[in-house]
Amino acid sequence: AQKITQTQPGMFVQEKEAVTLDCTYDTSDPSYGLFWYKQPSSGEMIFLIYQGSYDQQNATEGRYSLNFQKARKSANLVISASQLGDSAMYFCAMRDLNYGQNFVFGPGTRLSVLP
Amino acid sequence: EAGVAQSPRYKIIEKRQSVAFWCNPISGHATLYWYQQILGQGPKLLIQFQNNGVVDDSQLPKDRFSAERLKGVDSTLKIQPAKLEDSAVYLCASSLNGGNEQFFGPGTRLTVL
Repeated sequence: AQKITQTQPGMFVQEKEAVTLDCTYDTSDPSYGLFWYKQPSSGEMIFLIYQGSYDQQNATEGRYSLNFQKARKSANLVISASQLGDSAMYFCAMRDLNYGQNFVFGPGTRLSVLP
Repeated sequence: EAGVAQSPRYKIIEKRQSVAFWCNPISGHATLYWYQQILGQGPKLLIQFQNNGVVDDSQLPKDRFSAERLKGVDSTLKIQPAKLEDSAVYLCASSLNGGNEQFFGPGTRLTVL
């Protein structure tokens, strides 16, 4: 069964600094996708970045990058040059591409950006 | 492009009452998802539709929850009767034919007293 672990319930970062949010996963499917979503206080989930298990390079989207370490089963999100608007909940998620198309989400990390 | 629409945004009911939530996905999106997000947790998939067919409802408590997407467009999720533990935000999402990028609606916050 798929499982996502996010061990940091809360994180603080100074504005303009970089921050890494941890995510580890478990699956028996060799083909899977990893996702990060942002959920501001308004409640809407916003897709940030995607990494496929067979992608050779780490995914990047603007200030977001995904540090994918397949052997360690980790998919950490790196946010560079943090902004006040980055304060939100961040969820790591995955879906197995062979055994099913279910999305499984982790418990989330609350990021607070300090001025 | 209009996003995923959900209504109502908030609902307060007493236990044992019934409630229904509505979702209209992005136009042209064949795949629709309903999630339950309990406070402090990540979203949990309840049901996934592909057009008007159910792809996965393995985590839907079928004794009290039901969902339909009769014309393959908008969808309704119903709870009857509600329990205290059903208090949560119910999120609807859609994607283009089960693609990797899901677009979420604003959610419906349900409080069961």
